[in-house]
Amino acid sequence: TQLLEQSPQFLSIQEGENLTVYCNSSSVFSSLQWYRQEPGEGPVLLVTVVTGGEVKKLKRLTFQFGDARKDSSLHITAAQPGDTGLYLCAGLILNTDKLIFGTGTRLQVFP
Amino acid sequence: DTAVSQTPKYLVTQMGNDKSIKCEQNLGHDTMYWYKQDSKKFLKIMFSYNNKELIINETVPNRFSPKSPDKAHLNLHINSLELGDSAVYFCASSQDSGRVDEQFFGPGTRLTVL
Repeated sequence: TQLLEQSPQFLSIQEGENLTVYCNSSSVFSSLQWYRQEPGEGPVLLVTVVTGGEVKKLKRLTFQFGDARKDSSLHITAAQPGDTGLYLCAGLILNTDKLIFGTGTRLQVFP
Repeated sequence: DTAVSQTPKYLVTQMGNDKSIKCEQNLGHDTMYWYKQDSKKFLKIMFSYNNKELIINETVPNRFSPKSPDKAHLNLHINSLELGDSAVYFCASSQDSGRVDEQFFGPGTRLTVL
């Protein structure tokens, strides 16, 4: 069974701090996506990374896809309360149409 | 002007009952999905339809039956509900199946089986 493990599971920080969330697997993925989910809503796509080693920046968020396309990280600089939410990575299994989701990281940023 | 909508938002029912959840997307997408999110927030694919054809069917009990009357709708019917079916069910759609397409999620249906 393919599994995408995220760490940490929970993260509680003060506004202004930096943080990194990791998404790891033993499987290789065609692409990897990061979603954010707020309470009572569905996940919303933040970014898609496709090439091994790729780095994408979205304002204060930096996403990296591992060279071997088995892992990814999300770094947030100067976190804000509006960043609070559940962050989910999702990998597209090679040669399939199936997207599997990570175990999730719940982030809380206090003012 | 919701992109992916689901009804109902909340569903509370007794064990053994049969219930349906409806999903509609107005994005013109070809592919629709059903996911189950458990109490630990783990999101797992259940079914995927592309142009009304079933393309992904995970190991889901036979009590769950998806139906796609047209490519804008994907409904989920659940027979003989069990306690373990309690979860949030999300419908999603994408332009095409898999690849790097963004999936657009509905707001979820919280099912509670008593």
